[in-house]
Amino acid sequence: AQRVTQPEKLLSVFKGAPVELKCNYSYSGSPELFWYVQYSRQRLQLLLRHISRESIKGFTADLNKGETSFHLKKPFAQEEDSAMYYCALVGSYKLIFGSGTRLLVRP
Amino acid sequence: KAGVTQTPRYLIKTRGQQVTLSCSPISGHRSVSWYQQTPGQGLQFLFEYFSETQRNKGNFPGRFSGRQFSNSRSEMNVSTLELGDSALYLCASSLGRGRAEAFFGQGTRLTVV
Repeated sequence: AQRVTQPEKLLSVFKGAPVELKCNYSYSGSPELFWYVQYSRQRLQLLLRHISRESIKGFTADLNKGETSFHLKKPFAQEEDSAMYYCALVGSYKLIFGSGTRLLVRP
Repeated sequence: KAGVTQTPRYLIKTRGQQVTLSCSPISGHRSVSWYQQTPGQGLQFLFEYFSETQRNKGNFPGRFSGRQFSNSRSEMNVSTLELGDSALYLCASSLGRGRAEAFFGQGTRLTVV
């Protein structure tokens, strides 16, 4: 079955601390994964896709096929990073989302 | 360019009524997908349309239906509303080819009373 698991509902860190949002997936074949972010009162927007291997707003994510993971990382969290983060897997003409992790960065 | 536009932004309906939600995709995008977002179930896929054809459907009852017009605009309809249908309904558009990025609308907040 195709599934995305985000084990943490809430992650609270202090400003300047490292952040790692966990994402594990279940998919037979070659997966394509995304991280979407939803800031307060804003629409869901794409943050990262694994095929581009780029860093956006200081965030990076590496696909680990052996561990079936796609964790999102940032070395130094900023208050403006506070948002809801969703890991998503491309299925058949659809996105399969994890349950989301709320990141709270405290001053 | 204009983003994905969903109308209306908010709706309050009574149990048993029906509702139609509208989505205008980004110009040039031929794929429109719908998702239901609730606190308990998160983001769940409803259906996807490409060039007026439904290519995939999620695990929702037949009360949920959709369609896409020749200009790529899409509507979804929910008949015989139930309290549990209260949710944020999100529409996303993409080029629809390969694994193109999906762009989301602001959503329609449906409350069933």
